[in-house]
Amino acid sequence: SQTIHQWPATLVQPVGSPLSLECTVEGTSNPNLYWYRQAAGRGLQLLFYSVGIGQISSEVPQNLSASRPQDRQFILSSKKLLLSDSGFYLCACPLKGSGNTIYFGEGSWLTVV
Amino acid sequence: AQSVTQPDIHITVSEGASLELRCNYSYGATPYLFWYVQSPGQGLQLLLKYFSGDTLVQGIKGFEAEFKRSQSSFNLRKPSVHWSDAAEYFCAVGARYGGSQGNLIFGKGTKLSVKP
Repeated sequence: SQTIHQWPATLVQPVGSPLSLECTVEGTSNPNLYWYRQAAGRGLQLLFYSVGIGQISSEVPQNLSASRPQDRQFILSSKKLLLSDSGFYLCACPLKGSGNTIYFGEGSWLTVV
Repeated sequence: AQSVTQPDIHITVSEGASLELRCNYSYGATPYLFWYVQSPGQGLQLLLKYFSGDTLVQGIKGFEAEFKRSQSSFNLRKPSVHWSDAAEYFCAVGARYGGSQGNLIFGKGTKLSVKP
């Protein structure tokens, strides 16, 4: 079956420190992958999506970057975190054979202090 | 501009009462429509989706939603709410075609509280 793994589940980082959140998908190949952020009171916002290895599209300008080094791996990074980067980060992927139905991982809670 | 509006930030209903969560969208073409639920500290779980066909769609946990094109709405309903339904609910729209498939636009969510 298709599953989405995210880690770490929670992270507390000081301002100015680097960030790396990882998402891996099992049970499918060459999926579209997405990073969403959920900030308090702001709903979910699409940050990046990728249609293949090395292909990244950014939806909003920000302090973050994304990379896709392998077919089923999607990484969210920052060189220097800001307080405003705090939030709940969700990796998502269409379920194979379900058309456009997007399924989400369990998320990574980031608190920048 | 494409957008999703969930007018109710917080709703409280009594257990056993009926529920309707509102969702209105603005989209340039016929969209795909989704409802997700999020329990505290958890990821999002898909409740139901509308792609085409019957405008009344059934989902998991006894939820249903009705697509009304004339009103640009996709309201979520449940005839009898259970305490375990307390969570936050998100409506989302997505593209049917093209490279932006899967790029969902979310409403800001409606938090549901259930009174015993």
